[in-house]
Amino acid sequence: SQQGEEDPQALSIQEGENATMNCSYKTSINNLQWYRQNSGRGLVHLILIRSNEREKHSGRLRVTLDTSKKSSSLLITASRAADTASYFCATDEWDDKIIFGKGTRLHILP
Amino acid sequence: GAVVSQHPSWVICKSGTSVKIECRSLDFQATTMFWYRQFPKQSLMLMATSNEGSKATYEQGVEKDKFLINHASLTLSTLTVTSAHPEDSSFYICSASGTGTYTYEQYFGPGTRLTVT
Repeated sequence: SQQGEEDPQALSIQEGENATMNCSYKTSINNLQWYRQNSGRGLVHLILIRSNEREKHSGRLRVTLDTSKKSSSLLITASRAADTASYFCATDEWDDKIIFGKGTRLHILP
Repeated sequence: GAVVSQHPSWVICKSGTSVKIECRSLDFQATTMFWYRQFPKQSLMLMATSNEGSKATYEQGVEKDKFLINHASLTLSTLTVTSAHPEDSSFYICSASGTGTYTYEQYFGPGTRLTVT
């Protein structure tokens, strides 16, 4: 199975700064999704971007998708302490199976 | 929105015993349920896909006889970890998709933390 690869693996920034995480994948996809996971908790769905979309916004989140480069980025603007979590990209293939990347651990410093 | 619950939320069991984890879709019919496992500081790994009324499809490397999955109804799937060992300690998460949801969306349960002593 393919798997998304997030970059960087870990990221620490000051509160108020913007955080950017990248995800690369290997094969054609149907959709790409970003999830957040607080330590030891279940996943929270953040945003879904379809393969024919290039950019999507949701509140302080901005997701881009470049299918030619097989990559996506998640930008969190004006970061807050509550944004501290692990962020995963997930690609779903045409059989509805979702494959997760390894995640980026984001730590917002006060 | 679609809600998925898991029970129990955490469980501690002794090595050699079996543990059953339930995954329920509360307000929609889950034609497909997925089971994931997450080790500390690692990503979720898909273990198996189950369609209601059919045998589960397991990912490569996942032992079918050790991780028994049953999806007998449109609202319930169970994962039984048989003869659990400490290396099975992990966070198990289910997700579901089906009628009443967008076909591309999966709804995740809160997870079950299994600790085998």
